[in-house]
Amino acid sequence: DAKTTQPPSMDCAEGRAANLPCNHSTISGNEYVYWYRQIHSQGPQYIIHGLKNNETNEMASLIITEDRKSSTLILPHATLRDTAVYYCIVRVKLPASGNTGKLIFGQGTTLQVKP
Amino acid sequence: DSGVTQTPKHLITATGQRVTLRCSPRSGDLSVYWYQQSLDQGLQFLIHYYNGEERAKGNILERFSAQQFPDLHSELNLSSLELGDSALYFCASSVEARGSADTQYFGPGTRLTVL
Repeated sequence: DAKTTQPPSMDCAEGRAANLPCNHSTISGNEYVYWYRQIHSQGPQYIIHGLKNNETNEMASLIITEDRKSSTLILPHATLRDTAVYYCIVRVKLPASGNTGKLIFGQGTTLQVKP
Repeated sequence: DSGVTQTPKHLITATGQRVTLRCSPRSGDLSVYWYQQSLDQGLQFLIHYYNGEERAKGNILERFSAQQFPDLHSELNLSSLELGDSALYFCASSVEARGSADTQYFGPGTRLTVL
């Protein structure tokens, strides 16, 4: 699985957009970009994933560059409840016979949303 | 609420002891993953079971073992406990059937303290 690089921490004002970058320069053609977050010591929570097109759901938007070497997770209107550690993970998408969907977590980005 | 349940929530025990952590996946999910989160190592993948069979192993110690039962719940057994085994243990479940999403849903975790 490709390795990812994220800034260790970021601040964002409440109500503003939070843009969290991730570098994955060694990503393979069949690997997707996944984002999870962990609020305090709760179980990680899935946010969004994508291959090469921009994706949007009720939680966030994911912008992947054309060369797929980096991506940005966008929380359009950050709230205090979005304060968490955000993890960018790259791996193949399942199902594929015999494969594992194990997630390899890096250190992530600690996002602090401030009032 | 992710639909994944873990018991117990907290566990305090002594060095040298053995404990069993239990995970009930979401209804219909065939895969169960176990992860360990310690302060110095972050979130680490331990082991993956799919429909009762071991599919992948990560950095799981020989003192640790797991299994997935016919009803798809899983247990993680930790023996000869050491102080360094103190951590949060998460399980996650995923459908991983053809045509479905492969999102992992995490449980609330079991906090293990070894004294």
